[in-house]
Amino acid sequence: QVQLVQSGAEVKKPGASVKVSCKASGYTFTSYDINWVRQATGQGLEWMGWMNPNSGNTGYAQKFQGRVTMTRNTSITTAYMELSSLRSEDTAVYYCAKSSSGYYTNWGQGTLVTVSS
Amino acid sequence: YELTQPPSVSVSPGQAASITCSGDKLGDRYASWYQQKPGQSPVLVIYQDSKRPSGIPERFSGSNSANTATLTISGTQAMDEADYYCQAWDSSTAVFGGGTKLTVL
Repeated sequence: QVQLVQSGAEVKKPGASVKVSCKASGYTFTSYDINWVRQATGQGLEWMGWMNPNSGNTGYAQKFQGRVTMTRNTSITTAYMELSSLRSEDTAVYYCAKSSSGYYTNWGQGTLVTVSS
Repeated sequence: YELTQPPSVSVSPGQAASITCSGDKLGDRYASWYQQKPGQSPVLVIYQDSKRPSGIPERFSGSNSANTATLTISGTQAMDEADYYCQAWDSSTAVFGGGTKLTVL
């Protein structure tokens, strides 16, 4: 069955960077885009961007342009999302999601990133 | 581009619940719906306006026309209490609605 397993919780200081991983299994990794979505506590879902694991092409939400980088390692079927220049407002649960024709069929379990001095 | 949902909807068990999602010419694009229970990841319940993924009960249905997409849960059960989010694409950007808390009481 399809599984997306994310890395564990992180605590970072303001100004630092964080890199979250998303290990995919149960399907052909290079056939479906991986998207990243975040959710602050008590808030809604916020789309961050997409990555095509086959080509490495990416597309980012304007809000995160210049601060986010999405990459992958196809040999270990893992996608990564790195967010830099962290601030307190970036404290949230970050999800990876497998995309099929624009909708999200499977989601990772989420990774809590806490930004605090 | 914005998608607008009511913050909350209440329904009695066994009754039908409707959650709306409004956006400019939303009917010209596909809408998807996600269910999220506390402490859990979202789950896809409707895609391409009205299709149900395998494993999603038949009581979940969707429609999309003009400026409004609607998620309908017929015969609502206590287990359906959750947050629901609509989602669509605009100019290569995915957009989520603000979410609707469905209360079954």
